[in-house]
This record gives sequence, C-alpha cells and structure tokens, in this order.
Amino acid sequence: AQSVTQLDSHVSVSEGTPVLLRCNYSSSYSPSLFWYVQHPNKGLQLLLKYTSAATLVKGINGFEAEFKKSETSFHLTKPSAHMSDAAEYFCVVSFTLSGNTPLVFGKGTRLSVIA
Amino acid sequence: DAGVIQSPRHEVTEMGQEVTLRCKPISGHDYLFWYRQTMMRGLELLIYFNNNVPIDDSGMPEDRFSAKMPNASFSTLKIQPSEPRDSAVYFCAILFGVDQETQYFGPGTRLLVL
Repeated sequence: AQSVTQLDSHVSVSEGTPVLLRCNYSSSYSPSLFWYVQHPNKGLQLLLKYTSAATLVKGINGFEAEFKKSETSFHLTKPSAHMSDAAEYFCVVSFTLSGNTPLVFGKGTRLSVIA
Repeated sequence: DAGVIQSPRHEVTEMGQEVTLRCKPISGHDYLFWYRQTMMRGLELLIYFNNNVPIDDSGMPEDRFSAKMPNASFSTLKIQPSEPRDSAVYFCAILFGVDQETQYFGPGTRLLVL
C-alpha cells in the first residue's frame, strides 16, 4: 500500500538556523513527490516537486528537497530559517490518477520559527 | 491560488441547514478535487472529477454530502442537512500544467455549523 509519513508533527527552530522537515514514503512504484506549505488561514501552496528528474529539487523561498530512493525519503531543507517560514508543511505523494487516491498527503509538520 | 475561486470564504450556519460551497477555476482543466481539512483528521480527499464526471467519491462521508460539476469551470459541494461535525475548511483544487500531476488549491471555505 502507498503511504507517506511525516516523522515530526512539530519542529521548532531559531531564526537563521537550518530547517529539516522529514518525510518517508512507501510505494510499489516510482512516485512523484511534492511539498506544500500552508500559512495560517490560507490555502496550500506548492513549494517544490520531484518527478524522476534531478534528485535534488529546488523550490521557492530557498527550500529544497532531496529524493533518496534507497531510503524512501524526501526531506525538506532550508539553510536559514526566516520568521515568515512559520507554517504547516505537507509532504505529498502522487501515484496514479487511475487509482482511488491520486494524492496521498502526510499529516503535516508545523514549523515554528523563534526570533 | 493559481486561479481557483472559492465562495463563500466563510460560512456560519445552524445545524440542519443546507450548505452549498462553490468552486470556480478561472480556466478550463481536466481534473477537479474537493478536500476537507480538520484538526483531528487532517486533509481528506472527498471526491474528484475528470472531464466533469465524478471518478472517485469514496471519501464523501455520507449521503448528506453531494458534489456536482455541471461544466469545466464550476463545481459545487452541498451538505444537507449540515451537522456540527461538518465544521471544517473545504478546499477545491485543480490539476495544472503539462505534467497533469501538480494540484493547485483554492483559498478554501471555512465552514462552522452551530
């Protein structure tokens, strides 16, 4: 069965320090992987996506993620956190639109940034 | 929000009332999705359409929920009768781009059923 696990429900970092949000997936196929961000009272915004091209994917706002097939991971990183990065982050896996669930969402990781 | 308009943005209603949520993508597309987000259950897919036809509605909670897509630029999600446990944020999303894999979300409708 396909699934996605975000290992931390809440991550707190100091402004200017690195960010690491962890995501592992389970799939029988080669999936497409996404990270979305949701700021308070807003919709979900696409940060970046991996679709079997380069394993290191760069997204908006300085975020990047690395696809590691051997570890079935797609962790999100940023070298230096800003206060504006405080939000909920979702790791998302896409399998096939012919299946019952075209996208599988993780439970989300809430990122807090401390001044 | 990639051109997805949802209305209303906020809705407060009393238990038993009918609620209709609307989604209008600015441009035509092939796929449209309805999601519900709550603190307890996170983000749940309710139903999705392909070329205006419902493909999978297994996420629709019960018969009180119904969704329609009369054309490529409009969809509704109706709850009748509404219950307090339906309180949530409801998102509409579309597939966008040549890869047809990236979903773009509307701003959501925050529903409170008293």
